[in-house]
Amino acid sequence: EVQLVESGGGLVQPGASLKLSCVASGFTFSDYWMSWVRQTPGKTMEWIGDIKYDGSYTNYAPSLKNRFTISRDNAKSTLYLQMSNVRSEDTATYYCTGSRHTMGITSLFDYWGQGVMVTVSS
Amino acid sequence: DIQMTQTPSSMPASLGERVTISCRASQGISNYLNWYQQKPDGTIKPLIYYTSNLQSGVPSRFSGSGSGTDYSLTISSLEPEDFAMYYCQQYDSSPLTFGSGTKLEIK
Repeated sequence: EVQLVESGGGLVQPGASLKLSCVASGFTFSDYWMSWVRQTPGKTMEWIGDIKYDGSYTNYAPSLKNRFTISRDNAKSTLYLQMSNVRSEDTATYYCTGSRHTMGITSLFDYWGQGVMVTVSS
Repeated sequence: DIQMTQTPSSMPASLGERVTISCRASQGISNYLNWYQQKPDGTIKPLIYYTSNLQSGVPSRFSGSGSGTDYSLTISSLEPEDFAMYYCQQYDSSPLTFGSGTKLEIK
């Protein structure tokens, strides 16, 4: 059974940094592109970015590129999202996804975690 | 960025009813369109990929169609477990973008 378990969320102050983790099991993690997607309290879904199966390439939504960094540790089957200088508009549930990648682009978010909530507030 | 306009935002419907959700892209997306279902507990799963291909394990009452800028998801006969949120998502170009969602509610 495929499982993606996110952690590291919580209440954080504006301007702070936060690192989310996602531990994968039930599939060969090192074979998969991985993505982060977030959902705001208003239910808007936003793609954050993705990372190649070997960690050698990342791609980000332009609006988030300067503050968010995606990385992975295949030996630990773990995906990370480093968030810096967080803002109130970063308040959302963050989902880790195992992605299908076709013709140079993530073509489907195949597997989803349960999500982790991040609240940015003073 | 490609904008995805999804309608309606909410839809009351009855068990056994046939429903259709629409998604319009701000430019042609060459059928690079997926549909996802989100249950009230937050669980998300893909339903349809590349406009009309059913993901493994998804019941055949779900179907997708469309071309160019206009796409749709149809549920032929609503079952209790179908009352959920639905999102379209394009992958014609980066950044990947989602529709605003449709909440399917029990009438």
